[in-house]
Amino acid sequence: QKEVEQNSGPLSVPEGAIASLNCTYSDRGSQSFFWYRQYSGKSPELIMFIYSNGDKEDGRFTAQLNKASQYVSLLIRDSQPSDSATYLCAVPGGDSSYKLIFGSGTRLLVRP
Amino acid sequence: GAVVSQHPSWVICKSGTSVKIECRSLDFQATTMFWYRQFPKQSLMLMATSNEGSKATYEQGVEKDKFLINHASLTLSTLTVTSAHPEDSSFYICSARNVQGLGTEAFFGQGTRLTVV
Repeated sequence: QKEVEQNSGPLSVPEGAIASLNCTYSDRGSQSFFWYRQYSGKSPELIMFIYSNGDKEDGRFTAQLNKASQYVSLLIRDSQPSDSATYLCAVPGGDSSYKLIFGSGTRLLVRP
Repeated sequence: GAVVSQHPSWVICKSGTSVKIECRSLDFQATTMFWYRQFPKQSLMLMATSNEGSKATYEQGVEKDKFLINHASLTLSTLTVTSAHPEDSSFYICSARNVQGLGTEAFFGQGTRLTVV
C-alpha cells in the first residue's frame, strides 16, 4: 500500500510571506503528484499537478518534485489570508483504477 | 474544469435508517468514480472504487453490505449507507477522473455531510 506523509501543522506564516508545504511518498515508482486545497467543510479542489523532476510554476504556486529523494513540495508566494486552508498531497494508487491516495494534509494559517 | 455534482449536500437521519447519496459527472463520462469519507480534522480515506456496469471494489475494512454502491450509468454513482448509526456521521465525498481527457486529475463533488442522530 502506497503511503503519503505530510506534517499536519498548523503552519503559520505572516501575510506576504512564502509558505512551504512538504510531502513525502513511499513508492519510488510514483509518476504523478497532485496538490489539493481544502477549505473547512468543503471538498478538495485541485491546485497543481506535476510529473517531471524540478519546478512547475502557476501564478503564486510552485510545485517542486524530487524523485530521487521522494518528496514533492508546494510553495505559495505572497501568501494571503484566503490561502488559509488544508493542503493535501496525493499520488495515484498505481493500479488501473485511477484512484488517488491522499496524505493527511497540512493546515496552513496565514496571519494578516 | 470538469464538474462533479453531489447530492444532497447535507442530510440528517435517524439511527437505523438508510441514506442515499448521488454523484454525477456533468460534462464527461466517468467509468470510474471514487467514494471517500472524511472525519473531522482527518484526511480523506478511500472507501471504494465504483465501476460502471460492475461491482464496486471496496478498501480493506469497509463493509460492502453497509455501504452499497451502484454505478448504473457512465454519469451516475450512488452510495447508500444502510442502517446508519451515529458513528457513520461523517463527510462523504465522491470524485471522478476524466480518463478520456488529457488530464488525469480527479474532480470532486461538493461533499455530503451526514449526521446520524
